[in-house]
Amino acid sequence: GAVVSQHPSRVICKSGTSVKIECRSLDFQATTMFWYRQFPKQSLMLMATSNEGSKATYEQGVEKDKFLINHASLTLSTLTVTSAHPEDSSFYICSATEQGSAKNIQYFGAGTRLSVL
Amino acid sequence: GENVEQHPSTLSVQEGDSAVIKCTYSDSASNYFPWYKQELGKRPQLIIDIRSNVGEKKDQRIAVTLNKTAKHFSLHITETQPEDSAVYFCAASSSGGYQKVTFGTGTKLQVIP
Repeated sequence: GAVVSQHPSRVICKSGTSVKIECRSLDFQATTMFWYRQFPKQSLMLMATSNEGSKATYEQGVEKDKFLINHASLTLSTLTVTSAHPEDSSFYICSATEQGSAKNIQYFGAGTRLSVL
Repeated sequence: GENVEQHPSTLSVQEGDSAVIKCTYSDSASNYFPWYKQELGKRPQLIIDIRSNVGEKKDQRIAVTLNKTAKHFSLHITETQPEDSAVYFCAASSSGGYQKVTFGTGTKLQVIP
């Protein structure tokens, strides 16, 4: 099946620093990738939709200048949490859908646990 | 936008019993309904999905039903096993280029040996 790799799996950083998270589709091309945030014991909240070669589409309430998304190729999307603060601590998870697929199957990365001190 | 509600939030069953999780959605344009299983600390995994032109789909011990008129869909797990213990998410999506998926709030299933 399709594999999505997400790196790093865990980040601990100081308040004020920026953190970059990578999401790669390993064996398929992904025109669209999604970034979610998941709080403990809660559902996946869509933050933004990342489209290859164009600007990301952010969900209401998500600061685009805070969470920078770049989708420079059909296999890579990055999420940068700028000037991270303790309230940004969370589990961030990406997913990708296969280009040209009739189904909307989303393949998920393993997630990144961000802890901001 | 789409709104997906999921019940119950927690569910405990004895091993061998059946488990049922129910979801409702609001957008009549939604036509694709996947179910994901997420074990603690791991990524969500697709376990079964159904499209709006089908009322029921079964895969071994797992089945999903869809009532498009009522905007309800349900997950049924029969002969539950301890390894079925996880959080289950329903979701709804409409086809088309955007492919945005809206997730339910999740159901924590505990199968008691």
